[in-house]
Amino acid sequence: DQQVKQNSPSLSVQEGRISILNCDYTNSMFDYFLWYKKYPAEGPTFLISISSIKDKNEDGRFTVFLNKSAKHLSLHIVPSQPGDSAVYFCAASNFGNEKLTFGTGTRLTIIP
Amino acid sequence: NAGVMQNPRHLVRRRGQEARLRCSPMKGHSHVYWYRQLPEEGLKFMVYLQKENIIDESGMPKERFSAEFPKEGPSILRIQQVVRGDSAAYFCASSPPGQGIGQPQHFGDGTRLSIL
Repeated sequence: DQQVKQNSPSLSVQEGRISILNCDYTNSMFDYFLWYKKYPAEGPTFLISISSIKDKNEDGRFTVFLNKSAKHLSLHIVPSQPGDSAVYFCAASNFGNEKLTFGTGTRLTIIP
Repeated sequence: NAGVMQNPRHLVRRRGQEARLRCSPMKGHSHVYWYRQLPEEGLKFMVYLQKENIIDESGMPKERFSAEFPKEGPSILRIQQVVRGDSAAYFCASSPPGQGIGQPQHFGDGTRLSIL
């Protein structure tokens, strides 16, 4: 039972344009969402998070949007840079239960 | 990812041997989590520990796997009598004490376990 889904295994975006990565979840108990970035042979690096009391959180070039009614969140990266090429994982948890449930990841490739 | 230290980075074992994976959390962090990643999959939660306590082991296989986080020293994930299906990347994460919400977990670079 995949409670967190990233339906796009890969995405290619021109340098300087906006990258939009999507994530859907099925468990309505989730109230904290995170995005991680992962390079090969390294561990995931925390990017940005959002709690269910918000619908948007911004940090520099990264913005996460949460649509609770649709159980959908997205990560916007603008402008996209070559160093953004990596696998991006969406993760979720619920208050009082600290384990993270991860999606399967989206491989983002930024084309120079 | 230098804050969370995992060793070894690569571990090769033959079927039936034991594997021990170590994790030192970031300074000031008292919560440790272990995750496993199979090829082309996302990370799967295994266990959550605090010092000398297992808080949640709902993701741990019932047999052969155990974890500890002693008062002194690193957290250890132990796999006894390894089988080929145990081949995976094992990641450790840590977070500071306090309520879980709003505290992102920070990950180490993982241990790649290969079973011959």
